[in-house]
Amino acid sequence: DIQMTQSPSTLSASVGDRVTITCRASQSISTWLAWYQQKPGKAPELLIYKASSLESGVPSRFSGSGSGTEFTLTISSLQPDDFATYYCQQYNSYSPSLTFGGGTKVEIK
Amino acid sequence: QLQLQESGPGLVKPSETLSLTCTVSGGSISSSPYYWVWIRQPPGKGLEWIGSIYYLGSTYYNLSLRSRITISIDTSKNQFSLKLTSVTAADTAVYYCDRFTVLQGVITKWGQGTLVTVSS
Repeated sequence: DIQMTQSPSTLSASVGDRVTITCRASQSISTWLAWYQQKPGKAPELLIYKASSLESGVPSRFSGSGSGTEFTLTISSLQPDDFATYYCQQYNSYSPSLTFGGGTKVEIK
Repeated sequence: QLQLQESGPGLVKPSETLSLTCTVSGGSISSSPYYWVWIRQPPGKGLEWIGSIYYLGSTYYNLSLRSRITISIDTSKNQFSLKLTSVTAADTAVYYCDRFTVLQGVITKWGQGTLVTVSS
């Protein structure tokens, strides 16, 4: 199974900050990497797919990059609505199976 | 507008079988290229993929749960189901049924989730 390691697990930041979250895969996954945002009591919402493609309707301050085993989610200027938990997810097309990272909680500093 | 709705008991006793059904409305469960997926989230913890099913019936399970899981699909009712046997307190979680879009490699539609508690 492919393992996904997400860091940091918690991040304290202020409105307007640039925030970066990292996700590492235990083996190459090409660009089969997605990012989701989850708020308390709600289902996750898709932000980024195929490592760097912005889902329709998602603000442009969110961006993704990477390929192979290392990926990043960047929020260029943190907004009050962005305080949430973020998860990466890989898709193994050969299985097919999904694996999530452990999550990053973005808190108010 | 596609919607997915989980249904089933909210309380299951230890060692018994957890059974959930997901009803898909606003679209056909037989459409491709989609898989239908179960994901769970223990309280205060992260997301765990349980397994996936294609409308033709092929299934893919999380290796760590494989011995206890059965996912099935009923295209005539536009439903798919999860059975998890021999449950313990560790199976207490919010269970989500979802639609997975193969071309993007992502879950493009989530159910609202249902909390299942394992307790005597």
